[in-house]
Amino acid sequence: GAGVSQSPSNKVTEKGKDVELRCDPISGHTALYWYRQRLGQGLEFLIYFQGNSAPDKSGLPSDRFSAERTGESVSTLTIQRTQQEDSAVYLCASSSDPGSEKLFFGSGTQLSVL
Amino acid sequence: GENVEQHPSTLSVQEGDSAVIKCTYSDSASNYFPWYKQELGKRPQLIIDIRSNVGEKKDQRIAVTLNKTAKHFSLHITETQPEDSAVYFCAASIQGGKLIFGQGTELSVKP
Repeated sequence: GAGVSQSPSNKVTEKGKDVELRCDPISGHTALYWYRQRLGQGLEFLIYFQGNSAPDKSGLPSDRFSAERTGESVSTLTIQRTQQEDSAVYLCASSSDPGSEKLFFGSGTQLSVL
Repeated sequence: GENVEQHPSTLSVQEGDSAVIKCTYSDSASNYFPWYKQELGKRPQLIIDIRSNVGEKKDQRIAVTLNKTAKHFSLHITETQPEDSAVYFCAASIQGGKLIFGQGTELSVKP
C-alpha cells in the first residue's frame, strides 16, 4: 500500500500566521511520530501518538505547537503565531509496533516563515 | 530527560576503508537501538537495528554493536562505497515509547 503521506510538501507563511500540517500514516500503523529537522541538524522529537493512549507531548517546544490524531489515522500538527525559528522540515513517521519496529517516514513538509 | 549523543558530526573516509559512528544514551531503560540513513533531500530510512538482548548484529557490510553497561552503541561500515555517503542517525527508545535520535553524522566516502 501507500507509504506515509504528508501535505503540503512546502509551505511559505508570514510571521504571526497559523499553519496546519497533515500526516496520513500507513494504514494499520498504531504509532505516529512528529519530528522537526532544521537545516543540517538532527531529528528533534516533537510528539508521539500510540493507539488510544494519551500522546507524549514532551517534545513540543512551546504552547504554540499542538497536534491531534483521529483514532489511528490522520494527524495534524498546528503551529500558531509562527516565528522565523519555526522554519524547518517537519517529518511524520508511523510504525506498526511502537519502540521496537522500524519507522516509516513521510517526505516531510518544508515550512518557511518569512 | 532522555538524551542520545552521537559522534563524530562529520566523517570523511576513502573508498574501501571502514567507518565507525558512536552513540551514547542516557536512559538505562532503553532497549531498542535503530540506525537510519538519510540521503540528501530524502527521508530517513532504517538500515539496521539492535535490541538490548544481543551485543552485536551484522548485515553484509554493516554491523552494530551494543554495550548496555556503558550505554553506548556503534555503527560499523566496512568496505565503504561512494553510495554510502549520507547522514546517519542513531536512535534509542524504551519499548512502547518514543524514539529519540542523535544529532547525526555526515559521512563522505571519497572515490
